[in-house]
Amino acid sequence: RKEVEQDPGPFNVPEGATVAFNCTYSNSASQSFFWYRQDCRKEPKLLMSVYSSGNEDGRFTAQLNRASQYISLLIRDSKLSDSATYLCVVNRGSTLGRLYFGRGTQLTVWP
Amino acid sequence: GAGVSQSPSNKVTEKGKDVELRCDPISGHTALYWYRQSLGQGLEFLIYFQGNSAPDKSGLPSDRFSAERTGGSVSTLTIQRTQQEDSAVYLCASSLGGGPSEQYFGPGTRLTVT
Repeated sequence: RKEVEQDPGPFNVPEGATVAFNCTYSNSASQSFFWYRQDCRKEPKLLMSVYSSGNEDGRFTAQLNRASQYISLLIRDSKLSDSATYLCVVNRGSTLGRLYFGRGTQLTVWP
Repeated sequence: GAGVSQSPSNKVTEKGKDVELRCDPISGHTALYWYRQSLGQGLEFLIYFQGNSAPDKSGLPSDRFSAERTGGSVSTLTIQRTQQEDSAVYLCASSLGGGPSEQYFGPGTRLTVT
């Protein structure tokens, strides 16, 4: 079983729509959780960390459910510039820092 | 300041040849990671350096793959006797320390083995 599973999409939504991505992780010892964004043929960049109590950054809201080992990302009022692949990322919390990446969910926002 | 840099940006090589990929991390970052991303696949961890030592090499797919880091800075990833399945984008990342610090990625080296 993969460490991190995501629905690959693609999600195609109009500007202004709200879209949600989900991800599950298999290792209950996982400690740190992130969403990275990857534009086409570019490197991944950190979008936001995910905290146990849930957190918000502008139009982006991340949630974590440790009991279900489930992470979500909600994007409100989608912009054309949100079109990208969103990577769910997990760290087991050891000092080693290795990140486990999901395969990504592709989002296209159309005008 | 300067981000993570990698060279070359693209490399085309014939099957069986050796290749060296270079990563220059952000100055002051002690942790350095190599990942690879094959077409349509997620990022696959290869190796992690803390300073010059590699406490986690568990992701290296075969003994044809090796990496070193000197002076706690630049790292090279070497692939010997390349195979077509080695074709991928090789990404390097660095972070201030080990543990769950934010990792900053370089632009990658796109390797094509013909």
